[in-house]
Amino acid sequence: NAGVTQTPKFQVLKTGQSMTLQCAQDMNHEYMSWYRQDPGMGLRLIHYSVGAGITDQGEVPNGYNVSRSTTEDFPLRLLSAAPSQTSVYFCASSQDRLNYGYTFGSGTRLTVV
Amino acid sequence: DAKTTQPTSMDCAEGRAANLPCNHSTISGNEYVYWYRQIHSQGPQYIIHGLKNNETNEMASLIITEDRKSSTLILPHATLRDTAVYYCIVFSGNTPLVFGKGTRLSVIA
Repeated sequence: NAGVTQTPKFQVLKTGQSMTLQCAQDMNHEYMSWYRQDPGMGLRLIHYSVGAGITDQGEVPNGYNVSRSTTEDFPLRLLSAAPSQTSVYFCASSQDRLNYGYTFGSGTRLTVV
Repeated sequence: DAKTTQPTSMDCAEGRAANLPCNHSTISGNEYVYWYRQIHSQGPQYIIHGLKNNETNEMASLIITEDRKSSTLILPHATLRDTAVYYCIVFSGNTPLVFGKGTRLSVIA
């Protein structure tokens, strides 16, 4: 098992550009989430999904879109990058959320200039 | 989900037990106590969770008070590699996992 794989690991964008952060898991987990972590801060939830075709907003969803067409993949799209979106982005997945912990990816470090 | 209160930071001598407290006085009956840790900008790592009973695994022990209003994560023999931010989260599974600020544990040689 590769676990939760995030690509790219690093990215620099110009203000106004769009991009997609990829997240894939090979554990057949139903639950997946995206978090962002600003320097020196805790994790904040952006969007989450409880299964293929089902997504919902977290604490800080503005400026981001998600979709969940397959169980394995949960991409995060930045529509028009802004410097305030400079952050480290973590994707996580879980088998059933309650009885098992979430497995996190290693993160994507995004800088918007 | 109920909120938690943790100390901002703690120190622990290497080889000693690290006891990390967490208050969750408004926890509901169906909410579990979860602990995660994050080592220097890596993705968070699940440690342990429990509902009422004390729990132990290869990483740590979790002690939950009888009234469930507080808990303690115990790392029995802390090493330098245990230096991390530790997050205590109460979670029912009905809403997504939300992280607070956690406790920054520094293990000192």
